[in-house]
Amino acid sequence: NAGVTQTPKFQVLKTGQSMTLQCAQDMNHNSMYWYRQDPGMGLRLIYYSASEGTTDKGEVPNGYNVSRLNKREFSLRLESAAPSQTSVYFCASRFEDRQGSSTQYFGPGTRLTVL
Amino acid sequence: GDSVTQMEGPVTLSEEAFLTINCTYTATGYPSLFWYVQYPGEGLQLLLKATKADDKGSNKGFEATYRKETTSFHLEKGSVQVSDSAVYFCALFITNTGTASKLTFGTGTRLQVTL
Repeated sequence: NAGVTQTPKFQVLKTGQSMTLQCAQDMNHNSMYWYRQDPGMGLRLIYYSASEGTTDKGEVPNGYNVSRLNKREFSLRLESAAPSQTSVYFCASRFEDRQGSSTQYFGPGTRLTVL
Repeated sequence: GDSVTQMEGPVTLSEEAFLTINCTYTATGYPSLFWYVQYPGEGLQLLLKATKADDKGSNKGFEATYRKETTSFHLEKGSVQVSDSAVYFCALFITNTGTASKLTFGTGTRLQVTL
């Protein structure tokens, strides 16, 4: 049981380049999330997916697109990278128990630098 | 909107000292409350949680009690170790209808424990 996995771990892009961050979970969770972490700002939600085939915008969706390929995978795409997108990106999936208690599990992160 | 306020760090303590990291929240409903820990270079790990008022979450010697009357969820540990050095995030979660159900994070508190 690997939990939440992300690739790549590190990436350097030039302004205007595109790339896709991959995320997969093997816990059969319905909900998945993409966050970015910036110094002094905690984590901010970019996009989320409540179930396969659905996606919704979070706090900071501009400049990003997502795709919920299947229940396991949730990818984040930067079509034209900008220096403001330099950040650490975390994927998460959510487990909800029968009592309605909810816990999110996080991947190890992708450190992205845009020059 | 929902928000979480944490004490600013860094917090520097000697080994075996008592730790308190303050966390207060504002929320329109009845949130679940969480503490996550992030060790250097890693993703976020769930440390403990509480789902209703007066619940106490505990793990690895850390404790936090859900105080509805003071809207607080302060993290405590009686005797810290060097290995506890990390960034600690307080977060709340409310299940919403019609909008994204998401974690709202505080900005994080860095703890540095020295010998």
